[in-house]
Amino acid sequence: AQTVTQSQPEMSVQEAETVTLSCTYDTSESDYYLFWYKQPPSRQMILVIRQEAYKQQNATENRFSVNFQKAAKSFSLKISDSQLGDAAMYFCAYRSNFGNEKLTFGTGTRLTIIP
Amino acid sequence: EAGVVQSPRYKIIEKKQPVAFWCNPISGHNTLYWYLQNLGQGPELLIRYENEEAVDDSQLPKDRFSAERLKGVDSTLKIQPAELGDSAVYLCASSPTGGTEAFFGQGTRLTVV
Repeated sequence: AQTVTQSQPEMSVQEAETVTLSCTYDTSESDYYLFWYKQPPSRQMILVIRQEAYKQQNATENRFSVNFQKAAKSFSLKISDSQLGDAAMYFCAYRSNFGNEKLTFGTGTRLTIIP
Repeated sequence: EAGVVQSPRYKIIEKKQPVAFWCNPISGHNTLYWYLQNLGQGPELLIRYENEEAVDDSQLPKDRFSAERLKGVDSTLKIQPAELGDSAVYLCASSPTGGTEAFFGQGTRLTVV
């Protein structure tokens, strides 16, 4: 079974600064997807960024980028130029690439933006 | 395009009472998921549907939980009877066949008193 671990329950960053959220995972599969989801107080999970395991290039989406280390099974999220609207819970998630399998989530990191 | 719609947003019930949650996925999405999110935790899958067939319900507590997805579109998740430990957020998500992204609704926050 796959597991996802987020070791930082809470993080804070000054507005406009950069912050990195950590995530490690465990799997015996070689083909899978990794995701970062944002969950604001509205509770809706919003996809921030995704990474396909067979792609060596790290994914980027505007101010969001990942550092994907497949051998180390590490998948961190970097948020540049942090904005007040980035404050939320962030969840790292794993999904096998065999059909529409379930997402396995970590326990989340609460990100606070300091004005 | 409308997203995943869930209702109600909030529900407070007394223990031992029944409760039902409703989900309308994005049009054309064949895969529908129900997730349970306990306070301070990440969501965990309860059941996954491919059209009207439940293809993964291994984590659904079948003694008190049931779900259906008639005609492969809307879905209902029911708890009967509810227990105090069922207080949580129930999230519905959908994705197209072969898609990599799951789209989530805003969830139902259940409080059992």
